[in-house]
Amino acid sequence: EAGVVQSPRYKIIEKKQPVAFWCNPISGHNTLYWYRQNLGQGPELLIRYENEEAVDDSQLPKDRFSAERLKGVDSTLKIQPAELGDSAVYLCASSASPGTGYSPLHFGNGTRLTVT
Amino acid sequence: SQQGEEDPQALSIQEGENATMNCSYKTSINNLQWYRQNSGRGLVHLILIRSNEREKHSGRLRVTLDTSKKSSSLLITASRAADTASYFCATDTGGGNKLTFGTGTQLKVEL
Repeated sequence: EAGVVQSPRYKIIEKKQPVAFWCNPISGHNTLYWYRQNLGQGPELLIRYENEEAVDDSQLPKDRFSAERLKGVDSTLKIQPAELGDSAVYLCASSASPGTGYSPLHFGNGTRLTVT
Repeated sequence: SQQGEEDPQALSIQEGENATMNCSYKTSINNLQWYRQNSGRGLVHLILIRSNEREKHSGRLRVTLDTSKKSSSLLITASRAADTASYFCATDTGGGNKLTFGTGTQLKVEL
């Protein structure tokens, strides 16, 4: 199966500029996640979608971050305006609906954002 | 915020040796998962252990869980250079696949 696809792979922008990241999950995966990973740290959840619905966005800095998942497939994460502290790797992951059990997360290779 | 703390932060061993990394967490869990991340890549799921299990095996991987100590360990036996990567534990505390990742152990296996 095709994996989770993210683009762009790298992005360098100046502070105060906007930036957007795109994610295409594995076909049939209803759950989509955006994580942020700072250098030398583990990923931290920003937002989780079940189909089109954002079911957990408690960690998303809503003053500057926004996300959407139209039609319950592709997703876009946007930052406007970017700050120096936003430099990180932004990872998208998807999973099948866990039901009463669990379903492993499948990650894309991420977008490495550098804000100068 | 990070739920898990991993120990050691970095580990360097020779090919053929065993590698053990530990994870401690703070709150009760439904399950604990281990993921591997190669440099510049996304994370790959390795193994899951449920809260009512004490030990799990998968190939050269062995995971243990001690819920009374809120800790888990991952053992990789007969390590290979290709095992060089960062390893993360992730806890599912509320069900629904909401995972909180630890800080990771960077493993280097030398020839």
